[in-house]
Amino acid sequence: IAGITQAPTSQILAAGRRMTLRCTQDMRHNAMYWYRQDLGLGLRLIHYSNTAGTTGKGEVPDGYSVSRANTDDFPLTLASAVPSQTSVYFCASSDRGNSPLHFGNGTRLTVT
Amino acid sequence: GQNIDQPTEMTATEGAIVQINCTYQTSGFNGLFWYQQHAGEAPTFLSYNVLDGLEEKGRFSSFLSRSKGYSYLLLKELQMKDSASYLCAPMDSNYQLIWGAGTKLIIKP
Repeated sequence: IAGITQAPTSQILAAGRRMTLRCTQDMRHNAMYWYRQDLGLGLRLIHYSNTAGTTGKGEVPDGYSVSRANTDDFPLTLASAVPSQTSVYFCASSDRGNSPLHFGNGTRLTVT
Repeated sequence: GQNIDQPTEMTATEGAIVQINCTYQTSGFNGLFWYQQHAGEAPTFLSYNVLDGLEEKGRFSSFLSRSKGYSYLLLKELQMKDSASYLCAPMDSNYQLIWGAGTKLIIKP
């Protein structure tokens, strides 16, 4: 079934540790996105990539990095996790500028 | 600045009709999306409006007025499974979505 796969589903991480959240899509979408969602707040864009080989910063990029080596994969790395990065992280993709986003099932991350 | 305004929570009765309003301010405009998000799940696409007027899709309809910076989502014949959060997301001139906190809709029998 075509779609977006995120891993892990959930993770408890000690502060200061490094963590990579994985995201893979098989729809050959050009654009991919990482959002975080916190209670009472809207989805906030962390980083995005309009096409393989390019990335851009979103609204809340500090403490996160991404890479886009190919069309399918868009990993998000937390270099040194802090408790404020406790959140639900969604990866999404879209075909072109005003196409709907397709979301992965999310990763629930707790930083202690 | 860019912002979205939606009610935080609404309650409606099974079988009834509910209208969820959204007002927005964006830098440029490339359409407005509505998404549904059940608790603990990912958002899923419901509708997209880029021109003024009403778009109907089964029990769900979405309306847009660009001059007023206003949209609404109309849900008819409410079912218990419609209990979810509804996210209004206009797209700005850079094709970036601006997300509100969403409206939590509670359906009562």
